[in-house]
Amino acid sequence: NAGVMQNPRHLVRRRGQEARLRCSPMKGHSHVYWYRQLPEEGLKFMVYLQKENIIDESGMPKERFSAEFPKEGPSILRIQQVVRGDSAAYFCASSSRVMNTEAFFGQGTRLTVV
Amino acid sequence: GESVGLHLPTLSVQEGDNSIINCAYSNSASDYFIWYKQESGKGPQFIIDIRSNMDKRQGQRVTVLLNKTVKHLSLQIAATQPGDSAVYFCAENMGSNDYKLSFGAGTTVTVRA
Repeated sequence: NAGVMQNPRHLVRRRGQEARLRCSPMKGHSHVYWYRQLPEEGLKFMVYLQKENIIDESGMPKERFSAEFPKEGPSILRIQQVVRGDSAAYFCASSSRVMNTEAFFGQGTRLTVV
Repeated sequence: GESVGLHLPTLSVQEGDNSIINCAYSNSASDYFIWYKQESGKGPQFIIDIRSNMDKRQGQRVTVLLNKTVKHLSLQIAATQPGDSAVYFCAENMGSNDYKLSFGAGTTVTVRA
């Protein structure tokens, strides 16, 4: 049973480009959570999704950021017109129920904006 | 070895000694706390959790203590091993939602051989 898979592991984008981060949850998991980690800081909650639904996006910046979890395929975190301040590690976690001890994190995507 | 105060970013401990990592949380309404371990280049890995109706919980080589009076959480690692070298984060739920976790800044533990 593969764990939470995130790709790419590393992503470099120029300012103004779009970044797409993918997260395939563990098999049987329908709850997905995205967190952002700035250097030397803890993780910050961004968004919680269930299949085809955004449940809580209170941690998402109001502009340029969006997330989806379609019926088929991975969850996508999309950042439009990236800026240097978007450089961070983005982690996805998944669970079979609302997050509890059974939630597992992926290895993250490290986004660098140059 | 022990980290003290609100936040000590690094802790160096001799292999075989016990480690104590401390964490001060901010939200009096938080009722669920988790300790995570993050190794370099990897995602956080669940270690142990505790609900606010408990003040102590033990796992394999780890113990979490919760003091709600002073909003303090600690993680004790017995007989620290080289594989325990990592960044350790405490996390608390934000309000009534278990899924919405607020993470501390982390403590980097380095185990000396």
